[in-house]
Amino acid sequence: AQSVAQPEDQVNVAEGNPLTVKCTYSVSGNPYLFWYVQYPNRGLQFLLKYITGDNLVKGSYGFEAEFNKSQTSFHLKKPSALVSDSALYFCAVRDKNNQGGKLIFGQGTELSVKP
Amino acid sequence: DTEVTQTPKHLVMGMTNKKSLKCEQHMGHRAMYWYKQKAKKPPELMFVYSYEKLSINESVPSRFSPECPNSSLLNLHLHALQPEDSALYLCASSQAGQGAREQYFGPGTRLTVT
Repeated sequence: AQSVAQPEDQVNVAEGNPLTVKCTYSVSGNPYLFWYVQYPNRGLQFLLKYITGDNLVKGSYGFEAEFNKSQTSFHLKKPSALVSDSALYFCAVRDKNNQGGKLIFGQGTELSVKP
Repeated sequence: DTEVTQTPKHLVMGMTNKKSLKCEQHMGHRAMYWYKQKAKKPPELMFVYSYEKLSINESVPSRFSPECPNSSLLNLHLHALQPEDSALYLCASSQAGQGAREQYFGPGTRLTVT
């Protein structure tokens, strides 16, 4: 079965420090991986996706993600965190067994950036 | 324009009411989705429409009835809901077909069933 896991419920970072939000996946074949962010009382916003090719994917708001096939990981990173980055982050994988575009989401990681 | 709009923003309804949630996008997307989300949990897929046809129903109770009148609009009709149906209902859209099609989400409708 295909799945994604976000091993940390919460990540705390000081403003200006680098941040990493972890995601591992279990997918047969090449995965289509996504990161979304959800601010309080808002819908999800697409940040970036991995299809194939470069293992470092750049996305919106200065975020990037590193795809590592051997470790089956797709960690989200940012060199310098902002207080405004505080939000709920979801990793997701496209369900390749499903024709309808279904995404399988991780459980989410709450990022808190303190001044 | 990457905007998906949803109305209303908030809805309070009794268990015997009938109401509808509306979603609209003008990005030319031919796949549209309804999700249910509880607080601080991932969204749960409910329905998918592809080219205005229902392609996925994730075993959703019949008190939820989706409708896709045209390629830009998606409705969710609600009837005889239960208190446990209280949640944030999110609409999303994407390009249809295979591939890494990112979904664009609306802001959601916060539903409270009393």
